[in-house]
Amino acid sequence: AQSVSQHNHHVILSEAASLELGCNYSYGGTVNLFWYVQYPGQHLQLLLKYFSGDPLVKGIKGFEAEFIKSKFSFNLRKPSVQWSDTAEYFCAVNKLTGGGNKLTFGTGTQLKVEL
Amino acid sequence: DTEVTQTPKHLVMGMTNKKSLKCEQHMGHRAMYWYKQKAKKPPELMFVYSYEKLSINESVPSRFSPECPNSSLLNLHLHALQPEDSALYLCASSQFGENRPGANVLTFGAGSRLTVL
Repeated sequence: AQSVSQHNHHVILSEAASLELGCNYSYGGTVNLFWYVQYPGQHLQLLLKYFSGDPLVKGIKGFEAEFIKSKFSFNLRKPSVQWSDTAEYFCAVNKLTGGGNKLTFGTGTQLKVEL
Repeated sequence: DTEVTQTPKHLVMGMTNKKSLKCEQHMGHRAMYWYKQKAKKPPELMFVYSYEKLSINESVPSRFSPECPNSSLLNLHLHALQPEDSALYLCASSQFGENRPGANVLTFGAGSRLTVL
């Protein structure tokens, strides 16, 4: 069965610190990869996505992620976090099948950015 | 219109009640989804409708009954729920039902928070 692991469950950073959140998946076939963010009291929003091509993808709000196929990883990075980045971050994997989309989420990382 | 709209935002029901959650999108998307999210947990897939047909049912108990009247609407009918079914129910949609590059990005609604007493 497909699984997605996020090893950092809670991260606390000061403003301007750099961020890296880990994401690993277990599925060996062709996958599409996503990072979603859920701000307090708000709905899930897409941060960035990887389908193919350049493994370094850039998303909204200065976030980027790197797909490393050999490591089954898709880590999220941001050089300098802001207080407004406080949110829950979910990595998600969609394996390409002939049927419907089956997006599987990781357990999430709660990020708190302190002033 | 790039939104997925869910109603009601909050619902409290007893274990013997029958209620429904509704979801609507006007983006022309042909796949719609129900996810369940418990507090401090990731969303878990329940159902997928692709071109108005149920394509994925993740072994969800029959007390949850999905319905897709047309390509813009998705309902989740609730009957005889248990307190452990209390959760945030998320609806989502994507452009196509099958996996095409760039087409399987899910857009989520704000959710319906369900409390079962």
